[in-house]
Order: sequence, then C-alpha cells, then structure tokens
Amino acid sequence: GQQLNQSPQSMFIQEGEDVSMNCTSSSIFNTWLWYKQEPGEGPVLLIALYKAGELTSNGRLTAQFGITRKDSFLNISASIPSDVGIYFCAGPKDSGAGSYQLTFGKGTKLSVIP
Amino acid sequence: GAGVSQSPSNKVTEKGKDVELRCDPISGHTALYWYRQRLGQGLEFLIYFQGNSAPDKSGLPSDRFSAERTGESVSTLTIQRTQQEDSAVYLCASTWGRANTEAFFGQGTRLTVV
Repeated sequence: GQQLNQSPQSMFIQEGEDVSMNCTSSSIFNTWLWYKQEPGEGPVLLIALYKAGELTSNGRLTAQFGITRKDSFLNISASIPSDVGIYFCAGPKDSGAGSYQLTFGKGTKLSVIP
Repeated sequence: GAGVSQSPSNKVTEKGKDVELRCDPISGHTALYWYRQRLGQGLEFLIYFQGNSAPDKSGLPSDRFSAERTGESVSTLTIQRTQQEDSAVYLCASTWGRANTEAFFGQGTRLTVV
C-alpha cells in the first residue's frame, strides 16, 4: 500500500516542550487518523478527523485536518515522559466496490528528555 | 471479542522452520490488515483482506509469506522456511472497511528466528 509522508522521522525534546508533527499525501483523504504506539504494544487510536479544517483535541493532543485534505497535523502540548512512542498517521483510500483500504505513514518517533 | 486478538504473543523458531501466526479480528469487521514492524521502525504493509474480495497481497516480501482469511473471521499469516531477517513484530488490525472507519490493532506477535 502507498504510504503517507510523515515528518519529522524522529525528534528529541525536553519535558514540558510542545511538539508538532505532520503528515502529507499527494492524494486527497476524507478521514485522517492519528495513532500512538508505545514500546511493546500495538498502535492505539488517539484522534480521528472527518472534515476538512476540523480541529480536534484529546487532552494535551490537538490534531487538524488540513483544508486541502492532503495533510494533517498533530500537536502535543507540555510534553511528559509518557508521551514517548511512535506516532502514526493513517487515511483510507478507496479500494473499489465501496470499500476503503487504510494507508499508514512510517511514523514519527518521539523521545522526551526528563 | 472486545478487541483484536493475536497469538502467540511471542514465538521463537529455528531458521528454516515454518511458522503460523493467528489474528482474531473484532467481530463484524470486514477488513483485516497484516503489518510487519522491525525494531524501532514503522509499519510495513503486508496484506489486506476486505470481505470476499481478492486480497491485496502487494506488500508480501517474498513467496515464503502467505496469508489466509476465512470469511470475515480469523486470519493466519504463514511464513515458510523462516530466515533471520523475518524477525520482527507482526501486527494485525481490523476495521469496518468503510470510508469513516477506524482501525484497531492487536498487541502483535513478536517473532524471533534463531
């Protein structure tokens, strides 16, 4: 499956700093999903976005569905050590016959320095 | 079940042996994905099942890899004549397969080939 482009690939930040990461595609998406994967676990859904321009928060996390529908951003405010993990974006692409196949980015690996 | 269940959680096998990994998706989910994840890396798409449609096998790395799914239930991923480079976590996810869908992941099977 075609992958989305996530940046940065990795980042090291100090505890308390804000974090911003993004995901871009050459194709339009009608849904954007953001996942977090902690070491030794499967990815867990953080935020789902369904409408262009939508801004959705989940605690210290905020995600936005880009107006062009070709990008999305995830921000984490006041980072803490438990924010460590890999963050993935995903979006469904029409695979025909009324079904949709999810495409995932390669992830942004976040490290937080206490 | 309440979530996606994968078994075994860990598997150690000798090089050259065949292994079979199992995924029980969330009941009613028509779409199922297999991904491979090497240590500290992103998700590598392997195969996608959607209902009774022909699966998308475009991500399978070699003919040693195959997967089956019975209807909209259990899926098995088989790796024949395992090699050390097959060592990775194999993740399964399931979803309704619709445009506004959200995928849910299992905990993964950690495969070690010695």
